[in-house]
Amino acid sequence: GAVVSQHPSWVICKSGTSVKIECRSLDFQATTMFWYRQFPKQSLMLMATSNEGSKATYEQGVEKDKFLINHASLTLSTLTVTSAHPEDSSFYICSAKKGGPYEQYFGPGTRLTVT
Amino acid sequence: DAKTTQPNSMESNEEEPVHLPCNHSTISGTDYIHWYRQLPSQGPEYVIHGLTSNVNNRMASLAIAEDRKSSTLILHRATLRDAAVYYCILRDMNRDDKIIFGKGTRLHILP
Repeated sequence: GAVVSQHPSWVICKSGTSVKIECRSLDFQATTMFWYRQFPKQSLMLMATSNEGSKATYEQGVEKDKFLINHASLTLSTLTVTSAHPEDSSFYICSAKKGGPYEQYFGPGTRLTVT
Repeated sequence: DAKTTQPNSMESNEEEPVHLPCNHSTISGTDYIHWYRQLPSQGPEYVIHGLTSNVNNRMASLAIAEDRKSSTLILHRATLRDAAVYYCILRDMNRDDKIIFGKGTRLHILP
């Protein structure tokens, strides 16, 4: 199998605080991981591509200083939402590439609510 | 990624077949047709993919038009658990690239 987990599955934080979300590939090594954001009733929007040991590549319009991505190992990538505001409330989903060109697996998502 | 067009939503009765269409008139020769689905409050999951020939797996079948400008995802016997958003995505076989999601089709299953 190819399982991707996310932690936490949901989190509530106060405006102005930072929140870290973890994405782990449980049974394979992932050189590349991706982070998506999804607002209610909308499609997934790619935020950034994360390669192990190097800086993440952010999509146009995504603030790299606000959404800090670290891919420190072949099984773990983290997304930190810094100085969160209510408009950052969303469903954050990661995915990990297993190896083959089409082997990409998605995590279950993390629901962030900023109050 | 080349653009795909899908209906916003569809309805089907439980235990009946469902045909989900996708138009991709600008598809290139190196584009694979992929389908993913997203169940409520979950991450997307892979369903099926193909290049030219029709494909079958345990989840679904993929019928690809001869000119490859359209395809149809077929769920042979829909269950309530198949209620989800289905995304049709083109991916270039020569570019090991990121997945860009369109709006997809929201499938409602009626009991």
